[in-house]
Amino acid sequence: GQNIDQPTEMTATEGAIVQINCTYQTSGFNGLFWYQQHAGEAPTFLSYNVLDGLEEKGRFSSFLSRSKGYSYLLLKELQMKDSASYLCAVREETDKLIFGTGTRLQVFP
Amino acid sequence: EPEVTQTPSHQVTQMGQEVILRCVPISNHLYFYWYRQILGQKVEFLVSFYNNEISEKSEIFDDQFSVERPDGSNFTLKIRSTKLEDSAMYFCASSVHGTGGSQPQHFGDGTRLSIL
Repeated sequence: GQNIDQPTEMTATEGAIVQINCTYQTSGFNGLFWYQQHAGEAPTFLSYNVLDGLEEKGRFSSFLSRSKGYSYLLLKELQMKDSASYLCAVREETDKLIFGTGTRLQVFP
Repeated sequence: EPEVTQTPSHQVTQMGQEVILRCVPISNHLYFYWYRQILGQKVEFLVSFYNNEISEKSEIFDDQFSVERPDGSNFTLKIRSTKLEDSAMYFCASSVHGTGGSQPQHFGDGTRLSIL
């Protein structure tokens, strides 16, 4: 079966660092994507991991451990505009994406 | 930056009526997708399309659904006889690559479909 788990909600303070975890159990694995989604808007691509390790992209980093079925998204120097839902999505052998329920992050001043 | 465009942004339809949701994928992309997101729930895969045919479809994509690429730019999703439970945000996405490759799927802003 397919299962992707993320915390439902998180809160953090402006300027802080937050880590959003994602665990997955899928029948195949061909990459993991993180998307940001503001309410009522389209998911926008943040990062991609297919090999174990850390990928860094400015204030955002993403980590993958395939053996543990685990990824996290790290957001540094949080800004108010980072308040959004963060979606973990796994690509299996075919190209469809399987999404988690998303983590709603609220950043407070 | 090129983007996926979807029309209309909001569609209100009576139950039982047919709807067509339209998408213009990014011009050099070859792989096209439809996803839906019921309010408060996760994004769900509906169908993928490549080389003028369906590559894969989910259980949601039953006989009431169809997709078409009528010309070189548009990609449409048709729901033949809408049901109340079809109310959702429908996202079109496109990508350069299918399986493999680091290029992501790019999503349009969605069409909010409301069935009355």
